[in-house]
Amino acid sequence: DIQMTQSPSSVSASVGDRVTITCRASQDIDSWLVWYQQKPGKAPKLLIFAASSLQSGVPSRFSGSGSGTDFTLTISRLQPEDFGTYYCQQANSFPPLTFGGGTKVEIK
Amino acid sequence: QVQLQESGPGLVKPSETLSLTCTVSGYSISSGYYWGWIRQPPGKGLEWIGNIYHSWSTYYNPSLKSRVTISLDTSNNQFSLELSSVTAADTAVYYCARVMSYRPYYFDSWGQGTLVTVSS
Repeated sequence: DIQMTQSPSSVSASVGDRVTITCRASQDIDSWLVWYQQKPGKAPKLLIFAASSLQSGVPSRFSGSGSGTDFTLTISRLQPEDFGTYYCQQANSFPPLTFGGGTKVEIK
Repeated sequence: QVQLQESGPGLVKPSETLSLTCTVSGYSISSGYYWGWIRQPPGKGLEWIGNIYHSWSTYYNPSLKSRVTISLDTSNNQFSLELSSVTAADTAVYYCARVMSYRPYYFDSWGQGTLVTVSS
């Protein structure tokens, strides 16, 4: 199984701050990495696929980078509506598809 | 626009079988894509349960494989999950989702989720 490790587990930042979340895969997954945002009581929402491709309708302040085993999700200027938990997922192979443990983003 | 909706009992007794159905609208489940189930225990992260592609290709999480069955009902545009011999550890919000059928294998549309509690 491909293990996905996210850090940090939580972050508290102010509106306008730059926020960076990292995700590490236990083996090379090329660029097959996706990011989701989940708000309390809601289903996850796709933000980025193939490591850096922005899903339609997602604000451009979100960006993704990386390949191989190390990936990053960046929110360039944090907005109040960006609170929630962010998950990475390896999209290279299954079974199983695997997710990172999540990063909770709080607004100061 | 594709929409998915989970349905089924919210309470299941230990050792019994959890059964959920996902009704898909706005897209034919026979027209490609995998269809999958994901769960999330209260306050915890996401766990992939399995995917189905047409009626002959199913893929399950090895950690659940002995207890899971996913099936398609193309006549009603639905797919289903059965999880047998449940315990309290199976208490979770269960989501159904549409899954890309080629790399990257991501979930592009999700149901709202349904909480299933395992308790006597």
